[in-house]
Amino acid sequence: SQKIEQNSEALNIQEGKTDTLTCNYTNYSPAYLEWYRQDPGRGPVFLLLIRENEKEKRKERLKVTFDTTLKQSLFHITASQPADSATYLCARDTGGYNKLIFGAGTRLAVHP
Amino acid sequence: IAGITQAPTSQILAAGRRMTLRCTQDMRHNAMYWYRQDLGLGLRLIHYSNTAGTTGKGEVPDGYSVSRANTDDFPLTLASAVPSQTSVYFCASSESLTGPETQYFGPGTRLLVL
Repeated sequence: SQKIEQNSEALNIQEGKTDTLTCNYTNYSPAYLEWYRQDPGRGPVFLLLIRENEKEKRKERLKVTFDTTLKQSLFHITASQPADSATYLCARDTGGYNKLIFGAGTRLAVHP
Repeated sequence: IAGITQAPTSQILAAGRRMTLRCTQDMRHNAMYWYRQDLGLGLRLIHYSNTAGTTGKGEVPDGYSVSRANTDDFPLTLASAVPSQTSVYFCASSESLTGPETQYFGPGTRLLVL
């Protein structure tokens, strides 16, 4: 079965630094991967989508990469701010359909 | 524009009781989804709907049923609740089932089954 694995340990970084979150998938390559942000007690909010044929996608201070050889997506936050503190979820499609399979998420804490 | 609303916000339920979680969207999206989120497991798809009148099973459908009488509403019913259904339930929608599409999530319903 398809799986998404994310680093379950919380990441603590200093304000202004760049951090990288990892998302690994199993079995066949997804047609696309999506990244969401989730704050405590709230629903996930969409951030970025990257297709299989795209190497990299950017949105403001965020960057996502897709490496089909390593079966991995990396999520970068540059010039991090305390407001970036949240749990970040990676998700993959199911055979091109939007029935997403989510990872457990990685909690990021940015300290002033 | 509200997006997606869910009700109730939270609920404590006795085992064996029937419960319906409500979900309404105002974006006229064709596809809707129900997920449950448990600590360490992430979001898991329970049921989905491609369009009004059609539904499908997700990864963890047992013990749950859904209906899609119209575009806006997608209620999730627990016919006879069990403690293992204690979870946070999220409803979501997207323009279509065929990707890639952004999913929009509701605020969630926190359910405790005793």
